[in-house]
Amino acid sequence: QVQLQESGPGLMKPSQTLSLTCTVSGGSISSGSYYWSWIRQPAGKGLEWIGRIYSSGSTHYSPSVKSRVSILVGTSKNQFSLKLYAVTAADTAVYFCARYNWNHDAFDIWGQGTMVTVSS
Amino acid sequence: QSALTQEASVSGTVGQKVTLSCTGNSNNIGSYAVGWYQQISHGAPKTVMFGNSLPSGIPDRFSGSKSGTTASLTISGLQPEDEADYYCSTWDYSLSAQVFGGGTKLTVL
Repeated sequence: QVQLQESGPGLMKPSQTLSLTCTVSGGSISSGSYYWSWIRQPAGKGLEWIGRIYSSGSTHYSPSVKSRVSILVGTSKNQFSLKLYAVTAADTAVYFCARYNWNHDAFDIWGQGTMVTVSS
Repeated sequence: QSALTQEASVSGTVGQKVTLSCTGNSNNIGSYAVGWYQQISHGAPKTVMFGNSLPSGIPDRFSGSKSGTTASLTISGLQPEDEADYYCSTWDYSLSAQVFGGGTKLTVL
């Protein structure tokens, strides 16, 4: 059974680069019809899609963060990462990684989420 | 402002049938299947509907449908454990982005 686990710093300062990693266990990131995605949720607000990557490296990003985001497949086959540059307090949120399944046109597996706080 | 519009809140009693709606346009719901996600107390979302098919382990009191640019999630026989926030999501080809609704808070009275 595939599981996802996010990891990264809990606290950051404005203007720094946020780096998060999602580790995939129980399956290979390069197998199947899946996009590997990042989604965030500020406190008290709804879910916001950040972007996604296919195992080939092909990416799509949300227009709201496109100018300062990168999603990469990790050097380890079963990891993918998020880099968000020049963070501000508005980037404070719980960050989730999730698997998007083409066969179902929906996310089918979610990580537990990791809280990121941006504060000076 | 979310690309998809959901009711802010819906309530129902145990055993009742409730329907949550998700309204978009021809660029998103009108062209793609809609997923539905349940989130309890801001924990990890859980997928409760793939378009109109149930993920493994989700009770069959959940059902999904779509008509034009509006998708619906129906819960027949509401249970206390169904109290949660529910989000709809689909692809938007004009934005080239995955979009979410603002979420519906479902309260079980």
